[in-house]
Amino acid sequence: KQEVTQIPAALSVPEGENLVLNCSFTDSAIYNLQWFRQDPGKGLTSLLLIQSSQREQTSGRLNASLDKSSGRSTLYIAASQPGDSATYLCAVDTGANSKLTFGKGITLSVRP
Amino acid sequence: GAVVSQHPSRVICKSGTSVKIECRSLDFQATTMFWYRQFPKQSLMLMATSNEGSKATYEQGVEKDKFLINHASLTLSTLTVTSAHPEDSSFYICSARFPGNTEAFFGQGTRLTVV
Repeated sequence: KQEVTQIPAALSVPEGENLVLNCSFTDSAIYNLQWFRQDPGKGLTSLLLIQSSQREQTSGRLNASLDKSSGRSTLYIAASQPGDSATYLCAVDTGANSKLTFGKGITLSVRP
Repeated sequence: GAVVSQHPSRVICKSGTSVKIECRSLDFQATTMFWYRQFPKQSLMLMATSNEGSKATYEQGVEKDKFLINHASLTLSTLTVTSAHPEDSSFYICSARFPGNTEAFFGQGTRLTVV
């Protein structure tokens, strides 16, 4: 059974800092991995999707990497801003009926 | 990008009543939609997979008679929480994928409170 872990559960950093959010998964046989952002009481916004054959994806100040063999992914946020404060979730798709398995998320707080 | 719309965003209902939540894919046809439930500070738990024109596939432990799913068209799936109890209070989110695309898009979520 696939399990996704995100540690730590919460992170607080000063504005301007570059930071890395980690995600690990137990079964390396994944179809893709997706990073989401969730604001309090809201739905999920897709940030980056990495296919199993890819090693990284970039969008603006965000860069996500994938190391399938070690079961790890990182989300790099450059020059963090208070508006980046949210919960970041990673999810893996094992290809079985397109179901996603989610981590519990990392709640990020960027202090002005 | 693809947009998934979920309605209502918040609902309060009395115990014993039923509540319907709608999930629409606005600019694409989704043969499959997914319903998740999220508890505070917990990950999203898949409840069921909604298949257009056929019965939904429920995850283990999810009561199909309590959480009725209907996917009558390619752009609409509904989740009805029947005979709601306070323990059904939670955040429910739907998801869909653009055909041929592996990226998942999510609705805004519905905060259900049963009093």
